[in-house]
Amino acid sequence: DGGITQSPKYLFRKEGQNVTLSCEQNLNHDAMYWYRQDPGQGLRLIYYSQIVNDFQKGDIAEGYSVSREKKESFPLTVTSAQKNPTAFYLCASSIQPGGRYEKLFFGSGTQLSVL
Amino acid sequence: GNSVTQMEGPVTLSEEAFLTINCTYTATGYPSLFWYVQYPGEGLQLLLKATKADDKGSNKGFEATYRKETTSFHLEKGSVQVSDSAVYFCALTPQAGTALIFGKGTTLSVSS
Repeated sequence: DGGITQSPKYLFRKEGQNVTLSCEQNLNHDAMYWYRQDPGQGLRLIYYSQIVNDFQKGDIAEGYSVSREKKESFPLTVTSAQKNPTAFYLCASSIQPGGRYEKLFFGSGTQLSVL
Repeated sequence: GNSVTQMEGPVTLSEEAFLTINCTYTATGYPSLFWYVQYPGEGLQLLLKATKADDKGSNKGFEATYRKETTSFHLEKGSVQVSDSAVYFCALTPQAGTALIFGKGTTLSVSS
């Protein structure tokens, strides 16, 4: 079945540690996105990528980094510079990058917590 | 700038009650409008969409009409079920080449 797979489902970070969240899709979608979800804050865009080897910052990119070396994969690294990383992270993809009829397909999310 | 404003939750209803969740937006040009739903512990799923003024999106008994004159896209359902309990997000795409912008979400809780 086609879809988006995020792993792990739960992740714990120690102080000063970088952690990487995985996102893989087999939908052959060009565009991929990372959103952060906090209670009462809705979804805020961290990074997005419209094609391989290219990505743009979203509204809250500070303390995060991404890569897009393959069409299927868009990993997110939460660096030690992100002082408040505890949140639910959602990866998404779409057929076309930012089209007017855009429908996003979401993964099931990763809950990141700080030890 | 572009933004979406949803009514504050939580919304608590009894089964078979009428549902309205208000959504208004600010955007340049002619955005496309969406409602997404998130069930507990899961990612979001597209519920319905409308891409031009006066369009009505509908799915699973839910409806929303794109009102450009009031910049609104309110979600309605005539008779809610317990299984409709979830968080509902209003969203827009302001122009080609950008990502979806979401509202803060409204939690709906339906009791039997």
